[in-house]
Amino acid sequence: NAGVMQNPRHLVRRRGQEARLRCSPMKGHSHVYWYRQLPEEGLKFMVYLQKENIIDESGMPKERFSAEFPKEGPSILRIQQVVRGDSAAYFCASSPRLAGGPDTQYFGPGTRLTVL
Amino acid sequence: GESVGLHLPTLSVQEGDNSIINCAYSNSASDYFIWYKQESGKGPQFIIDIRSNMDKRQGQRVTVLLNKTVKHLSLQIAATQPGDSAVYFCAEKVGETSGSRLTFGEGTQLTVNP
Repeated sequence: NAGVMQNPRHLVRRRGQEARLRCSPMKGHSHVYWYRQLPEEGLKFMVYLQKENIIDESGMPKERFSAEFPKEGPSILRIQQVVRGDSAAYFCASSPRLAGGPDTQYFGPGTRLTVL
Repeated sequence: GESVGLHLPTLSVQEGDNSIINCAYSNSASDYFIWYKQESGKGPQFIIDIRSNMDKRQGQRVTVLLNKTVKHLSLQIAATQPGDSAVYFCAEKVGETSGSRLTFGEGTQLTVNP
């Protein structure tokens, strides 16, 4: 059973460009979370999605950032008009949400975004 | 100006010793807790979890202790090995079985000396 997959692993963008980060959850998982990590810091929650629905986006900046999880295909985190402060590692996690079971989140390897 | 990064708490142990990593959590409503291990350049890896109705849980070479009175969590690693060197994060969550965010602690850098 493949784990959470993210691509690209490394992404370099110039200021003002768009960044698209992709996440494929573990097989059988229908819930996806995105987190951001700055160097030597813990992960900070951004957004929680189910298929075709955004459940909680309270951690996501109001401007330039958006996320989706379509019925088919991976979840996408999109950052428009990137700025240097967007440089970070972005991690996706998925969970199975089994009835009565704990909502354990399993993480992908991350996408390291560098904005020049 | 020059940016200054945060410095993680560090723990350095000798190979074969036991390690104890501590974490204070913030939300008294949290009812599910997870320890993650993160190696350089990788994503967080699940180690062990504990529900709020428990105060201790054991895994293979690891034990998690939960003290809800003082909102404290600890991870004990027995017979620490060089491969255990990593940053360890505790994470808390409100709603054990419901979908909701994880709130991460600041992390502890564990270094195991051979």
